[in-house]
Amino acid sequence: DIQMTQSPSSLSASVGDRVTITCRASQSISSYLNWYQQKPGKAPKLLIYAASSLQSGVPSRFSGSGSGTDFTLTITSLQPEDFATYHCQQSYTIPRTFGQGTKVEIK
Amino acid sequence: QVQLQESGPGLVKPSQTLSLTCTVSGGSISSGDYYWSWIRQPPGKGLEWIGYIYYIGSTSYNPALKSRVTISVDTSKNQFSLKLSSVTAADTAVYYCARAPVTVADSETFEYWGQGTLVTVSS
Repeated sequence: DIQMTQSPSSLSASVGDRVTITCRASQSISSYLNWYQQKPGKAPKLLIYAASSLQSGVPSRFSGSGSGTDFTLTITSLQPEDFATYHCQQSYTIPRTFGQGTKVEIK
Repeated sequence: QVQLQESGPGLVKPSQTLSLTCTVSGGSISSGDYYWSWIRQPPGKGLEWIGYIYYIGSTSYNPALKSRVTISVDTSKNQFSLKLSSVTAADTAVYYCARAPVTVADSETFEYWGQGTLVTVSS
């Protein structure tokens, strides 16, 4: 199985901050990498697909980059509604696997 | 707007079979454009892909669960289902159903999710 490792596991930030979350795959997955946002008690929501494509309806302050094994999710100006847990997921091969999640908390 | 809704027992005894159904509204399972997937999340932990089904009945399962998992589809009811046999406490989780567009590369991007249902395995 491809292991997906996110860093950091959690972070504290303030409204307006630029936030960067990293996801590393245990082998190359080309650009088959998706990012999801999950709020407590809710289902994950797709933010970014194919490493850098913004899902319809998602604010442009979210962006993704990377290919191969190293990927990044960036939030350029953190808003109150962005405090949540973020998950990466590889769709390159079976079984699909997710990172352990990064919790973004209010500083 | 497509909606997915999980249903089934919230409590299952150890060694028994967990059974859940996902009802799809706002779109047809038979369209052929999507994979219909199950994903779970143990309390306080990360997400685990269980498997998917295509409307004609072809499936793909997580090898770690393959011996215990069956996913089926009922196109007449616009539903798909999950059965997980011989459950233990480790199978306690929120179970989500989700939809992923079919792609040439056979990738899976979960664009729509159900709200999730908590299944507890306990005697």
